[in-house]
Amino acid sequence: NAGVTQTPKFRVLKTGQSMTLLCAQDMNHEYMYWYRQDPGMGLRLIHYSVGEGTTAKGEVPDGYNVSRLKKQNFLLGLESAAPSQTSVYFCASSRNTGELFFGEGSRLTVL
Amino acid sequence: ILNVEQSPQSLHVQEGDSTNFTCSFPSSNFYALHWYRWETAKSPEALFVMTLNGDEKKKGRISATLNTKEGYSYLYIKGSQPEDSATYLCALRHNTDKLIFGTGTRLQVFP
Repeated sequence: NAGVTQTPKFRVLKTGQSMTLLCAQDMNHEYMYWYRQDPGMGLRLIHYSVGEGTTAKGEVPDGYNVSRLKKQNFLLGLESAAPSQTSVYFCASSRNTGELFFGEGSRLTVL
Repeated sequence: ILNVEQSPQSLHVQEGDSTNFTCSFPSSNFYALHWYRWETAKSPEALFVMTLNGDEKKKGRISATLNTKEGYSYLYIKGSQPEDSATYLCALRHNTDKLIFGTGTRLQVFP
């Protein structure tokens, strides 16, 4: 079983460039989340979705946009990347309010 | 702003020692408290999801308790082994939607 799959796994961007991270889950989960992990700061919630067509802001949403057009996919977009967005990004999904299942992470470097 | 605090930040113990960590959270609008285990170079994996005041859960040598009235949860590891070395994260689900993580307790168990 694939579970939660994130693409790409690694990416290097220049300041001002845009990109999209794709998260796909095959568990028919309602809830999906995007977190970023930075040293000493744990996992911080960027945006989340409680169902197809819905999105909501988390703790650190500025500079990011998301879309949940299909239940199995949750896209995270950076319109104009900044060095402060250098981080490891984790996607997760859950069956409603249950435990989270995480992807393997995507390491993004913004130069 | 939800503030989920974990202590200690890091812990070094000898193989065979028992240990425990604390997760503190605001008790208002509580929905659920999660514990995750995060090994280096892997993704977080769920240990427990706890919802009721007084809940106690156990998985092997690891157990957890929950006090929603005073806003804390304890994670216990009995007879620590080197393979228990990981970062242990707690997360608060507030009002059935967003899941906010603490910064974690990093445990190192020395043989």
